[in-house]
Amino acid sequence: KQEVTQIPAALSVPEGENLVLNCSFTDSAIYNLQWFRQDPGKGLTSLLLIQSSQREQTSGRLNASLDKSSGRSTLYIAASQPGDSATYLCAVISGTYKYIFGTGTRLKVLA
Amino acid sequence: GAGVSQTPSNKVTEKGKYVELRCDPISGHTALYWYRQSLGQGPEFLIYFQGTGAADDSGLPNDRFFAVRPEGSVSTLKIQRTERGDSAVYLCASSQGVPGAGETQYFGPGTRLLVL
Repeated sequence: KQEVTQIPAALSVPEGENLVLNCSFTDSAIYNLQWFRQDPGKGLTSLLLIQSSQREQTSGRLNASLDKSSGRSTLYIAASQPGDSATYLCAVISGTYKYIFGTGTRLKVLA
Repeated sequence: GAGVSQTPSNKVTEKGKYVELRCDPISGHTALYWYRQSLGQGPEFLIYFQGTGAADDSGLPNDRFFAVRPEGSVSTLKIQRTERGDSAVYLCASSQGVPGAGETQYFGPGTRLLVL
């Protein structure tokens, strides 16, 4: 059974810091991996989708990497801003459609 | 519509009551998904529709939960004899194709269900 773990569970950093969020999964037979952002009381916003044949994806200040063989993904956020404060969720796509989510990392960026 | 919409946004009910949660997917999206997110947890898969049929309902916790999508668009998640443990945020998502082919799921804002 696929299990997804995110470390750390919570993180508080001063504005401007670069930071790394970690996601690990137990079964390397995944189709894709996707990072989401969730703001309090809101739905999920897709940040980056990495297909299984890719090693990384970049969007603005965000960079996500994928190492299937070791069952790991990282989300790198450069020059963090208070507006980045949210919960970040990692999801692996197991089978062709089923998202399996981690429990998330709650990020707070202090001004 | 521009995105996935869900109604109601909040629902408070009493233990034992019946509730219906509605999801309007993005127009043209054939795939629709329901997830449940308990406090402090990530969303958990409940059911996947492809068109009108439930292709995978393996995530439904028990037979009190049922979902329909009669015309291949709007879906309703139905919960009978609600229990306090059903309290959670129920998220709906839709996609044009299957995520395994690189298609992303687009999520709605969720319905926050509180069972007293």
